[in-house]
Amino acid sequence: EDKVVQSPLSLVVHEGDTVTLNCSYEVTNFRSLLWYKQEKKAPTFLFMLTSSGIEKKSGRLSSILDKKELFSILNITATQTGDSAVYLCAVDTSYDKVIFGPGTSLSVIP
Amino acid sequence: GAVVSQHPSRVICKSGTSVKIECRSLDFQATTMFWYRQFPKQSLMLMATSNEGSKATYEQGVEKDKFLINHASLTLSTLTVTSAHPEDSSFYICSAIYDGYGYTFGSGTRLTVV
Repeated sequence: EDKVVQSPLSLVVHEGDTVTLNCSYEVTNFRSLLWYKQEKKAPTFLFMLTSSGIEKKSGRLSSILDKKELFSILNITATQTGDSAVYLCAVDTSYDKVIFGPGTSLSVIP
Repeated sequence: GAVVSQHPSRVICKSGTSVKIECRSLDFQATTMFWYRQFPKQSLMLMATSNEGSKATYEQGVEKDKFLINHASLTLSTLTVTSAHPEDSSFYICSAIYDGYGYTFGSGTRLTVV
């Protein structure tokens, strides 16, 4: 059965801290791994990863995929209160199926 | 854990026909479900929020008469695309709020209108 697991499920940090969010998966026919930030209405797309070992960066956020070990991490450096959100990891399969993980709820306190 | 089952996973229909997509919460009661449409570059657009027993709340720009949402029970919400046209071809995903775990997503439906 296809599944996506995220850890931790929730996390509280202080502003300025660096956090690492984990996502592991077991799916058939992997196509890509997606990271989203869920705040209000709809998840905001952050990254799409298809190749192992290539880091993607956007400001203070970065992510990397390991297709051999079947996991990805999302790093956030110098966290700010505006980073507080649920971070979702999803895996897109070639069967047109997107499997979402349960999310990591991040709270950044001043 | 909280599971949302979405069906069908893939559907092809003729232009002008209607298609119904179902989302079922399997082991919890989902008083609120969300319907999204996935656009290129992986962005998700919230189409509507459905609450059991009441009318759905549609986001601005989403046609209520085209995308009919019904949430008749605590475990089932449906999205019907009426009089489908090729531009409605997309990937539709539902999600539900599950207490303690945040959002739980269905696996999506690929709609192709020919």
